[in-house]
Amino acid sequence: EPEVTQTPSHQVTQMGQEVILRCVPISNHLYFYWYRQILGQKVEFLVSFYNNEISEKSEIFDDQFSVERPDGSNFTLKIRSTKLEDSAMYFCASSSNRGISYNEQFFGPGTRLTVL
Amino acid sequence: AQKVTQAQTEISVVEKEDVTLDCVYETRDTTYYLFWYKQPPSGELVFLIRRNSFDEQNEISGRYSWNFQKSTSSFNFTITASQVVDSAVYFCALSEALLTGANSKLTFGKGITLSVRP
Repeated sequence: EPEVTQTPSHQVTQMGQEVILRCVPISNHLYFYWYRQILGQKVEFLVSFYNNEISEKSEIFDDQFSVERPDGSNFTLKIRSTKLEDSAMYFCASSSNRGISYNEQFFGPGTRLTVL
Repeated sequence: AQKVTQAQTEISVVEKEDVTLDCVYETRDTTYYLFWYKQPPSGELVFLIRRNSFDEQNEISGRYSWNFQKSTSSFNFTITASQVVDSAVYFCALSEALLTGANSKLTFGKGITLSVRP
């Protein structure tokens, strides 16, 4: 069964460093998303991406964040200068707008980012 | 703006008990989707169900059932004969249905931590 994959599973970084979180969405999906979950809290939307551009972004997704689909398979989230409060689990998701799984977002296993 | 409220924060039951997880939502959209996700201790998000706002039929899948009441803006989830493996955090979520057919973001509730004791 196709699945969304994310690497790395755990990333530890120093405050102020840049990190890139990587995701491989399901191959025939067209919509891509990043969410984050601070430990013990709810899952929060960051950004959605379609047709090589951002469709929607939340207030959390400020200038420190960027997304990219550098090739036909990867979808990345970059945080330019990490802050302590960026420590969270980051989930990538993808979805299709057709078929029986219409609008169902398939989530990856997450990357746990720890900023020291 | 969309909002999902899961008023229960933690529920503890003994195995084989039935348990209902409540979800109340707010949206100005006439067409929307409702979801439930399970997050076990391992941390991944497991899709359980998607419901279109036009489909108010209740759904049963094994020990799981969902009660969608548009009149009260609720989408409650019941686990019958709970098992220890049901212990997890359960999230209710909402997304709008865009006229373009595009998929929109999920707005999650705060989640309910369910503990099932043997």
